[in-house]
Amino acid sequence: GAVVSQHPSWVICKSGTSVKIECRSLDFQATTMFWYRQFPKQSLMLMATSNEGSKATYEQGVEKDKFLINHASLTLSTLTVTSAHPEDSSFYICSAARIGRAGFGETQYFGPGTRLLVL
Amino acid sequence: AQTVTQSQPEMSVQEAETVTLSCTYDTSESNYYLFWYKQPPSRQMILVIRQEAYKQQNATENRFSVNFQKAAKSFSLKISDSQLGDTAMYFCAYNNNDMRFGAGTRLTVKP
Repeated sequence: GAVVSQHPSWVICKSGTSVKIECRSLDFQATTMFWYRQFPKQSLMLMATSNEGSKATYEQGVEKDKFLINHASLTLSTLTVTSAHPEDSSFYICSAARIGRAGFGETQYFGPGTRLLVL
Repeated sequence: AQTVTQSQPEMSVQEAETVTLSCTYDTSESNYYLFWYKQPPSRQMILVIRQEAYKQQNATENRFSVNFQKAAKSFSLKISDSQLGDTAMYFCAYNNNDMRFGAGTRLTVKP
C-alpha cells in the first residue's frame, strides 16, 4: 500500500505557457500533500504544503501566484506552474501523508516525480 | 530552524560489506521523527527506515538499521550485506510538522 502517482512524468513546454502536474494517492486517503522541487544533484526543497479543502501553505520565497496548488480531494492535489520560464525547469516531486495519522511526523509517501523543461 | 547535515557527499562499499551513513540534525524540540529515504537513479523516493524520537530502541528493517543518539542529535544508517541495488542517493530527514532533508549521500555499491 501507500502508492502515490504523478502525471505527467515528463513535460516540455514553451516559455509563457502554464503546466499542470497531478499528484494522486492511489490506495489511501491523504490529509496532507506536499510539493517539493529538486535541482540536479541537490536535495529536495519543500515548496508548499496543502491540506484537502483549504489553502496551501507556501514556504518562504515560493511565489504562490506562480505555483498554484489545489487539493480538491483526499486523493488528488495539483500543482500549476503559471507562465513558466526556463528557470522553472526542474524536477517536481509530490508526497502524501495518510489521513488520521498523528499531526506531525507522519511518513510521507512520494510520487515518482515530474521533470519539467521550459524552452 | 531545524537543519539536517549529511557530511559524506559520496561513499562506496564492496558488495556484501557493511557501510554506515552519517546524519546529524539540529533542533530544540523533544518530540520528532527521523527518516532515511533512498533515491535510486529512477529518482523515486523510497522510505528506508523511520525512527520516533521518544523511542530509545533503534529502528531496524531487514538489512537496514539506525544508530539513534538523541543527546548527540545523531542518526546514522547502517546497511549490512550491501547489494548492488542499494546504489542510490540516501537522504536523512527530520520531521516535526514538515519534512526537512539533508543534502544527501551518494552511495555506490561495487561488485
